[in-house]
Amino acid sequence: GENVEQHPSTLSVQEGDSAVIKCTYSDSASNYFPWYKQELGKRPQLIIDIRSNVGEKKDQRIAVTLNKTAKHFSLHITETQPEDSAVYFCAASKRGNQFYFGTGTSLTVIP
Amino acid sequence: EAQVTQNPRYLITVTGKKLTVTCSQNMNHEYMSWYRQDPGLGLRQIYYSMNVEVTDKGDVPEGYKVSRKEKRNFPLILESPSPNQTSLYFCASSLVSGGFGYTFGSGTRLTVV
Repeated sequence: GENVEQHPSTLSVQEGDSAVIKCTYSDSASNYFPWYKQELGKRPQLIIDIRSNVGEKKDQRIAVTLNKTAKHFSLHITETQPEDSAVYFCAASKRGNQFYFGTGTSLTVIP
Repeated sequence: EAQVTQNPRYLITVTGKKLTVTCSQNMNHEYMSWYRQDPGLGLRQIYYSMNVEVTDKGDVPEGYKVSRKEKRNFPLILESPSPNQTSLYFCASSLVSGGFGYTFGSGTRLTVV
C-alpha cells in the first residue's frame, strides 16, 4: 500500500514568517493530495487539496505544490498568524482506495 | 447542515464492558471510515466501508467491529474494551473512496479503566 512521510514533526516560526511542511508518497498511482488542519481539541478540517493534473494551488495565504516525478508535495503558509498554530496532516489517495495520512506536523506561530 | 455526527463525545468505561460509538452522516456519502488518534502516532485507520454492506480492515482493526447496514450510519463496536483502546476516535466520510476530501466527526474521547 501507500506510505506517506511528513516532515518536520514540529515547526516553530515567528509571526509573519512563512512555514513549509513537506510530504512524500510512495505509490505513483496516487492522484489526490489533501491537507488537514487540526486545532487543539477539535476535528481535522480540510484546508486545501490538489490533484495530480495540477502542479500548484493557492488559497489566500496557503498554497500546495506537487512534484509528481519526485513524489512529494508541500504545504506553504505565508504571513503566518497565531491562529495558524495547529497540527497539520497531509494525505494521499486514489479513487477507489483508502486515504493514507502522514503523522502530522505541529506548527507553533510565535507572536 | 452537512455534517458527520458522532456520539458520545466523551465516554469513560470499564474493561470488558461492550460499547458502541455511533456515527451518522447526512451527505449521502458512500465512503465512511473510523480512525483513532494517539499522541505521536497521527491518525490510524481502524475500519472503512466503501458502501452499504461493504466493510474492510484498516491498519489497526484488532478489538473493533463495524457494520454498514444503512448508507448514513457506521457504528464502531468495542466488544470487550481494554485500556489500550483509550484514545480519541474520529469517524469520517467522503463522497467516494479516495479522490475527495473527508468530512470528520467531532470526535469521541474514550477512556477505558
